[in-house]
Amino acid sequence: GAVVSQHPSRVICKSGTSVKIECRSLDFQATTMFWYRQFPKQSLMLMATSNEGSKATYEQGVEKDKFLINHASLTLSTLTVTSAHPEDSSFYICSAPRGGYNEQFFGPGTRLTVL
Amino acid sequence: GENVEQHPSTLSVQEGDSAVIKCTYSDSASNYFPWYKQELGKGPQLIIDIRSNVGEKKDQRIAVTLNKTAKHFSLHITETQPEDSAVYFCAARSGGFKTIFGAGTRLFVKA
Repeated sequence: GAVVSQHPSRVICKSGTSVKIECRSLDFQATTMFWYRQFPKQSLMLMATSNEGSKATYEQGVEKDKFLINHASLTLSTLTVTSAHPEDSSFYICSAPRGGYNEQFFGPGTRLTVL
Repeated sequence: GENVEQHPSTLSVQEGDSAVIKCTYSDSASNYFPWYKQELGKGPQLIIDIRSNVGEKKDQRIAVTLNKTAKHFSLHITETQPEDSAVYFCAARSGGFKTIFGAGTRLFVKA
């Protein structure tokens, strides 16, 4: 069964609004979670590393003020896309490492469409 | 930084045939190499992985090989079935959790 969940699975919003995406680890704690963005027919691009109890670490070129990450608990990380624009439309996927070797398990993804 | 190249970008095989996807990585410190299968509209799912102290690993119809000297690793799927059709990503990780993905291979298995 799924070990990482995301909500919502799909969201459509108007340009200029903010959208929050939740990522939850099920039945295990994750001090670190990862947020990826995937454009159609492309690979996963790491956006940021979410750290429980501290600031997220953003990859080069990712605007931290636009993509707000909050890792409020050991099972929940949220990504807020602020003032969304059509170019932010994408598939957003989170992941969390679990197990002795820290295999990464991915959420089912959230498809964001900004009109 | 770490770079992972994946080939081919598209692969079409007849049901029952084998499929091979190849990847190369640049960071010699990479020590963990997972493979993911992604179906349309879903998140990637781990299908097999290999660590740098192992040269080959097999799980039923899926096998992965690693050549550390050449920095190559490959995914082999035997007796392919239509449900194997998906996008496959190789990845490499060197310490920590940061994982670098290949560009993906779109596999079509024709019935």
